[in-house]
Amino acid sequence: AAGVIQSPRHLIKEKRETATLKCYPIPRHDTVYWYQQGPGQDPQFLISFYEKMQSDKGSIPDRFSAQQFSDYHSELNMSSLELGDSALYFCASSFPGLPRTQYFGPGTRLLVL
Amino acid sequence: AQSVTQPDIHITVSEGASLELRCNYSYGATPYLFWYVQSPGQGLQLLLKYFSGDTLVQGIKGFEAEFKRSQSSFNLRKPSVHWSDAAEYFCAVGASGNTGKLIFGQGTTLQVKP
Repeated sequence: AAGVIQSPRHLIKEKRETATLKCYPIPRHDTVYWYQQGPGQDPQFLISFYEKMQSDKGSIPDRFSAQQFSDYHSELNMSSLELGDSALYFCASSFPGLPRTQYFGPGTRLLVL
Repeated sequence: AQSVTQPDIHITVSEGASLELRCNYSYGATPYLFWYVQSPGQGLQLLLKYFSGDTLVQGIKGFEAEFKRSQSSFNLRKPSVHWSDAAEYFCAVGASGNTGKLIFGQGTTLQVKP
């Protein structure tokens, strides 16, 4: 079965640089979620999109922005990177209808030097 | 506010022994509850979920969980643990409404002794 695809899988950036993470949801899933998991931490919700509109927002820094495109893929843009942004970033998607079950991608591991 | 507590940060069991991982939640309405498993450096795999109905739910890999409203708990169990079950386990509650964002517990790391 098709799964959530994330790219790149690994990314190394310098402080103050910009990074773009991409997420391709499972076909026919209409909602995308982004989570950040710091070392030894539980995943923290960042932001979600339902039918290409932002549906919820969590503890996402102002330096980060995201959007969902017409083909339902989503991108998380991170600017002015800080050392503390080093983490595993997960994308998840869910099928239409309530209640929702989220299926996670393999994650993008971001290292900021 | 919604929250999830996993009281055990680290658990070690012998292969073949039974397992129970604890999860307590705080949520005003009927919760949507999930257990996910994460192997080192890997993504989160859904083990099982509870939305309504039968309070004992079966999942993949031989896992089951029981929803107990009176105790605000959703403990994960497995009768006989295999070495491949060593991983980190996260309990999560889904927020109500259309967004359904997940709130995770702190996770429990399971180590399996041969």
